[in-house]
Amino acid sequence: QVQLQESGPGLVKPSGTLSLTCAVSGGSISSSNWWSWVRQPPGKGLEWIGEIYHSGSTKSNPSLKSRVTISVDKSKNQFSLKLSSVTAADTAVYYCARDTTGIDPWGQGTLVTVSS
Amino acid sequence: QSALTQPASVSGSPGQSITISCTGTSSDVGSYDLVSWYQQHPGKAPKLMIYEGSKRPSGVSNRFSGSKSGYTTSLTISGLQAEDEADYYCSSYAGDSAGYVFGTGTKVTVL
Repeated sequence: QVQLQESGPGLVKPSGTLSLTCAVSGGSISSSNWWSWVRQPPGKGLEWIGEIYHSGSTKSNPSLKSRVTISVDKSKNQFSLKLSSVTAADTAVYYCARDTTGIDPWGQGTLVTVSS
Repeated sequence: QSALTQPASVSGSPGQSITISCTGTSSDVGSYDLVSWYQQHPGKAPKLMIYEGSKRPSGVSNRFSGSKSGYTTSLTISGLQAEDEADYYCSSYAGDSAGYVFGTGTKVTVL
């Protein structure tokens, strides 16, 4: 049973870069799935950020595309998210997840706060 | 890429059936069968309830069903139970350049 776990700093300064990693266990990141990032600002709805295939192919939300970098490390069975030039509007719970024909399963999520 | 439109809230009594609508456009719901529904309890990660419009993952109660017509997809919960009280989000694929779009979310209250 595939499980995902996000990790990374919980506090990022404005104009800095948010960096998160998602460790995949119970399955291979090289399987025929895409691997996604989704975020949820406090009290608000879900927003799809982007996803990556084990080959390195990526797709990103057009509204975030210029600031998003998603990468994969097959040797560590994990994938990562970098979001640059962050502002308070990027404060959210960030989830990593597997995308098959639906997004499932999801990690537990990690809160990232953008503040000085 | 605008969010799909859902009602802010839907309520029902135990045992009743409720339906949550999700309206998109020709660029997302109208073009792809990759529509999903997610249940989210407070402080928890979302859980996939319906995929490809009407399919249920293993372990999801058959009280949950999905359908699609034109630019609108719907989630029906029959035999409403207290544990169904949660936020529900729809999602649709919108093409390789846009990826996925989520709905605005619906809070389901069991009276």
